[in-house]
Amino acid sequence: LAKTTQPISMDSYEGQEVNITCSHNNIATNDYITWYQQFPSQGPRFIIQGYKTKVTNEVASLFIPADRKSSTLSLPRVSLSDTAVYYCLVGALHGSSNTGKLIFGQGTTLQVKP
Amino acid sequence: GAVVSQHPSWVICKSGTSVKIECRSLDFQATTMFWYRQFPKQSLMLMATSNEGSKATYEQGVEKDKFLINHASLTLSTLTVTSAHPEDSSFYICSARHLLPSGSSYEQYFGPGTRLTVT
Repeated sequence: LAKTTQPISMDSYEGQEVNITCSHNNIATNDYITWYQQFPSQGPRFIIQGYKTKVTNEVASLFIPADRKSSTLSLPRVSLSDTAVYYCLVGALHGSSNTGKLIFGQGTTLQVKP
Repeated sequence: GAVVSQHPSWVICKSGTSVKIECRSLDFQATTMFWYRQFPKQSLMLMATSNEGSKATYEQGVEKDKFLINHASLTLSTLTVTSAHPEDSSFYICSARHLLPSGSSYEQYFGPGTRLTVT
């Protein structure tokens, strides 16, 4: 399973765009990249998932370069409620033969200040 | 997104007793579910993979006789902590794989977690 590396913490201010980069040098061909958000005493919440290039949904964008060895989660115009831990995970979520285990790293604690 | 529920959301039990935690996929079927444990200010640690109709696969260092997992249906997996001790106090979180309409890829959704306190 590919290991991921993220900054332990980041600070931002309300209204700013936040970019969190994750390194996954050993990503396998079948691996997808998934980002989750977790608030204290809650389960992780799915944010976005991608395989390559750029993916955008209503809450975030995910940028994945051609070599797929890293990815960047972009949160536009953050608010205080975006203060949370953000996890980048890679795993084979493609095909029925794989269990799709996701191994969590330490995550990035984002603190949004007023 | 798909919804995964857990019950109970919190439980307090006495040392030596057993506690069962349920994980349900509410609007989809999940052949595979996962159980995690999280201690304060730490990341989630994968405990086991639960497969419908077969035995669970445990991660290294997780005692299978202490943490009993049953995945009897496509929407329900249970984790039973047997002979609980204070060191088993933790936040237990399950997740379920959701097959996307493409039919070949998945997203994984997590339950809200269960806070277990063993006194």
